[in-house]
Amino acid sequence: SQKIEQNSEALNIQEGKTATLTCNYTNYSPAYLQWYRQDPGRGPVFLLLIRENEKEKRKERLKVTFDTTLKQSLFHITASQPADSATYLCALDMDMRFGAGTRLTVKP
Amino acid sequence: GAVVSQHPSWVICKSGTSVKIECRSLDFQATTMFWYRQFPKQSLMLMATSNEGSKATYEQGVEKDKFLINHASLTLSTLTVTSAHPEDSSFYICSASPAGSSYNSPLHFGNGTRLTVT
Repeated sequence: SQKIEQNSEALNIQEGKTATLTCNYTNYSPAYLQWYRQDPGRGPVFLLLIRENEKEKRKERLKVTFDTTLKQSLFHITASQPADSATYLCALDMDMRFGAGTRLTVKP
Repeated sequence: GAVVSQHPSWVICKSGTSVKIECRSLDFQATTMFWYRQFPKQSLMLMATSNEGSKATYEQGVEKDKFLINHASLTLSTLTVTSAHPEDSSFYICSASPAGSSYNSPLHFGNGTRLTVT
């Protein structure tokens, strides 16, 4: 069965640095992959979608890459701010199965 | 646009009672809605896919007789937790995708319902 892994449960970085989160998957070839942000006690909010034929997607300070050979997506937040602190989830395709998420904390 | 409203935001009930959670798409029609459950510090676990006018599709291991889903209109899906027990205490979240949107459109999530069964 397909499996989605996000590299770490928690990531702590200093304000201004670039945060890099990883999403790996196995036993599946998604047509696209999505990244969401979830704040405590709230539903996820869509951030970015990247298709299998796209290597990179950007939106303001966010950048997502998709390597179908490595079966991996990287999610970058540049010039991170304390307000970026949240849990970030990746999800595959229409099935919308989510990874466990990475809880990012940006320290001032 | 694309707002999904979930009600109630939290509910406390006694063991053995049933609880209904509503998920509404406020400014769009949704032929498909999804129901998730999330335990503390864990990811969303898909419970079922709710299709307007037809029976829901449940994920393996989810008891359909315990978690009743009704998607009676294009803007409303309900999840009823029947004969709730303390182990059903969790954060329940719904999501929806606008009808007619492409297959890879993002989902819009409600803000979840915190269920506590005492």
